[in-house]
Amino acid sequence: ILNVEQSPQSLHVQEGDSTNFTCSFPSSNFYALHWYRWETAKSPEALFVMTLNGDEKKKGRISATLNTKEGYSYLYIKGSQPEDSATYLCAFFGGSGGGADGLTFGKGTHLIIQP
Amino acid sequence: EPEVTQTPSHQVTQMGQEVILRCVPISNHLYFYWYRQILGQKVEFLVSFYNNEISEKSEIFDDQFSVERPDGSNFTLKIRSTKLEDSAMYFCASKSGRAIEQFFGPGTRLTVL
Repeated sequence: ILNVEQSPQSLHVQEGDSTNFTCSFPSSNFYALHWYRWETAKSPEALFVMTLNGDEKKKGRISATLNTKEGYSYLYIKGSQPEDSATYLCAFFGGSGGGADGLTFGKGTHLIIQP
Repeated sequence: EPEVTQTPSHQVTQMGQEVILRCVPISNHLYFYWYRQILGQKVEFLVSFYNNEISEKSEIFDDQFSVERPDGSNFTLKIRSTKLEDSAMYFCASKSGRAIEQFFGPGTRLTVL
């Protein structure tokens, strides 16, 4: 059974502050790590798909790093805004990367930005 | 921008009834998935579908579940005889042939009474 863990489970951050949270995943049989942003009643929105050890990706104020050897990824948000409030999900994609493989999700980090 | 759509957004049913959850994947995508999230738990993979057949399924996807692509656009999940523990948010996802990224719909919240 694959174990994908995210911490913390929830986080309250003041508007303007920067924050980060963690996803840990199996270091063996790794193919890709996904980050999704999910607001209630909306579709989970893909932020990043990361495949290479040492990968760093950036989208506006949000960035992510990947360490496949030790099995963790960090998501960073710089200068948090109220619209960043959401649940951030990471998902592990393993094996051969065959198209039919399902994703294994963490429980998510629920981020609340306080004005 | 193309998106995955799901209907209904909320379904309430009595235990033992059959339900069909509907999804319209992104039009040129080839791989289709169902996931579910029981309240307070992780999103869990149920099944993947490619080339008009099931490719992979999890332990959750037992004989009471079935999937179908009845025409060129819809992808459905049928639960034959619903149980209380089937209450969950059900997500459909799709992806194109080469990409790794899966695109998700907004989910159907199923409540079994």
